[in-house]
Amino acid sequence: DIVMTQSPLSLPVTPGEPASISCRSSQSLLHSNGNTYLEWFLQKPGRSPQLLIYMVSNRASGVPDRFSGSGSGTDFTLKISRVEAEDIGVYYCMQALQAPRTFGQGTKVEIK
Amino acid sequence: QVQLVQSGAEVKKPGASVKISCKASGYTFTTYTIHWVRQAPGQRLEWVAWINIGNANTMYSHNVQGRVTLSRDTSASTAYMELGSLRSEDTAIYYCAREATAYSLFYWGQGTLVTVSS
Repeated sequence: DIVMTQSPLSLPVTPGEPASISCRSSQSLLHSNGNTYLEWFLQKPGRSPQLLIYMVSNRASGVPDRFSGSGSGTDFTLKISRVEAEDIGVYYCMQALQAPRTFGQGTKVEIK
Repeated sequence: QVQLVQSGAEVKKPGASVKISCKASGYTFTTYTIHWVRQAPGQRLEWVAWINIGNANTMYSHNVQGRVTLSRDTSASTAYMELGSLRSEDTAIYYCAREATAYSLFYWGQGTLVTVSS
């Protein structure tokens, strides 16, 4: 199975400031079709996960443009350009290259 | 609009089975694969299985293989997950999720809490 490792696991943030989360996979997520299958989710307290980013850098429908994803191969980053109070929750990366799909441990983002 | 509505919370004893439903609406049910993901208390998300609604092909996680069965009723636009030989470590919120662009999990159900306790 592909192991997904996130850092940091806890991230205190100040509203209006940028934030960044790292995700590393134990093997490349590049498919033979040229696409890289890495997704980012936000799970707000008591809610179902919501998709933010798919294929490394594509924002899902309705996701604000302050969220951006980057990376390649085994190293990926989610950036929030200016954190808002509504962005608090746990962020997960997930590989969708192969079954079983696997998630990172989660990064808890909270307001300082 | 696409909606996935799951069945209600369940409390089961160890060794019993549970069957959860996920009713889809707002799209052609047979077009998209549905995944099941669970989250034990305080733990990370864990992928459980998927079912291709069109041809009923399935794929299961090693952790539940042999104990889980996915099925679907296309006439009712409903997917099901049955988990047997329940253990305390199966206590979790179980989510169904539908694939969208590039196999991404865009649409999620509200979750079903399954509690396994003697």
